[in-house]
Amino acid sequence: NAGVMQNPRHLVRRRGQEARLRCSPMKGHSHVYWYRQLPEEGLKFMVYLQKENIIDESGMPKERFSAEFPKEGPSILRIQQVVRGDSAAYFCASSYQKTNTEAFFGQGTRLTVV
Amino acid sequence: GESVGLHLPTLSVQEGDNSIINCAYSNSASDYFIWYKQESGKGPQFIIDIRSNMDKRQGQRVTVLLNKTVKHLSLQIAATQPGDSAVYFCAENMAHDMRFGAGTRLTVKP
Repeated sequence: NAGVMQNPRHLVRRRGQEARLRCSPMKGHSHVYWYRQLPEEGLKFMVYLQKENIIDESGMPKERFSAEFPKEGPSILRIQQVVRGDSAAYFCASSYQKTNTEAFFGQGTRLTVV
Repeated sequence: GESVGLHLPTLSVQEGDNSIINCAYSNSASDYFIWYKQESGKGPQFIIDIRSNMDKRQGQRVTVLLNKTVKHLSLQIAATQPGDSAVYFCAENMAHDMRFGAGTRLTVKP
């Protein structure tokens, strides 16, 4: 049973380009969470999704950021027109149920905007 | 801002000593807490969890204590080893997401 898989592990984008981060949850998990982490800081909640639904996107910037979790395929975090401030590690976690259960994390995608 | 915070950003201990990492939370309605360990360049890894109907839970070399009266959580690591060096986060499960504190960096000196 593979863990949460994120790809790519490292992503370099020039300012103004688009970044697409992928997350495949653990088998049987239908709840996906995205977090952002700056160096030497904690994980900031961005968005919580279930299959085909965004449940809570209160941590997502209002512009340029979007997330989806289609019926088939991985969850995608999309950042349009990236800026240097978007440089961070983005982690995805998945869980079997909504609350009171352990969430498993992927290894993260490190986005560098040059 | 985040509702979960840590008292100490860094902690240095001697190999073999016990480590105690503290965490304060602000939402008295939170009913589930998790400690994660994050090594450099990796994702957070589950260590131990505790539900609000408990005040103590033990794992292998780790113990989590929950004091709901003062909304305080601690992680105790017995006989700390070099492999325990990492950043430790407590997470508070609220509704449908987890909120993390800034983390404590634990360094184990040989």
